[in-house]
Amino acid sequence: SQKIEQNSEALNIQEGKTATLTCNYTNYSPAYLQWYRQDPGRGPVFLLLIRENEKEKRKERLKVTFDTTLKQSLFHITASQPADSATYLCALDIGTGGFKTIFGAGTRLFVKA
Amino acid sequence: NAGVTQTPKFRVLKTGQSMTLLCAQDMNHEYMYWYRQDPGMGLRLIHYSVGEGTTAKGEVPDGYNVSRLKKQNFLLGLESAAPSQTSVYFCASSYQGPETQYFGPGTRLLVL
Repeated sequence: SQKIEQNSEALNIQEGKTATLTCNYTNYSPAYLQWYRQDPGRGPVFLLLIRENEKEKRKERLKVTFDTTLKQSLFHITASQPADSATYLCALDIGTGGFKTIFGAGTRLFVKA
Repeated sequence: NAGVTQTPKFRVLKTGQSMTLLCAQDMNHEYMYWYRQDPGMGLRLIHYSVGEGTTAKGEVPDGYNVSRLKKQNFLLGLESAAPSQTSVYFCASSYQGPETQYFGPGTRLLVL
């Protein structure tokens, strides 16, 4: 069955450092992968999408990589700020056999001032 | 632009009661989705719609029904609520396909 894993342990980093979050998946070859941010008590907010033929994508202080051989995506936040503290979700397209996206459980990030 | 709105924000039901959750979007999106989110688990797709008048089952459809009579609205119904349906429910919409989904603020449902 499809499986998508994100580090369930919270990530604590110091302000100004680079945060790196990992998303691993098995048993599937997604056409693209998405990252979302979710604050407590709020709905997820779309951040970035990276396609299978793209190795890396950037948006301001955010960078996403996608390694289809390792079946892994890395999400980086450079020069992190306390305002970046949130839960970050990765989501896979599993379009074959249906129209679906599956989400990981998310990794909680805490950035200390 | 309100984006995606959900009503109600919070509800308590007794086992066996029914209710309808309403989702509305003002972005003229074709695709709409209902997810549930439980602690330690990712968002799980309940039902989705690829256009007005269409609906399809997602990963966890049992115990739920949906309707999309108008393009901007997507309703989620619980005919006979069970404690296992205690969760936070999110509605989302997207322009074309499951890329770049816009989520509502969520509805917290407690079934006693």
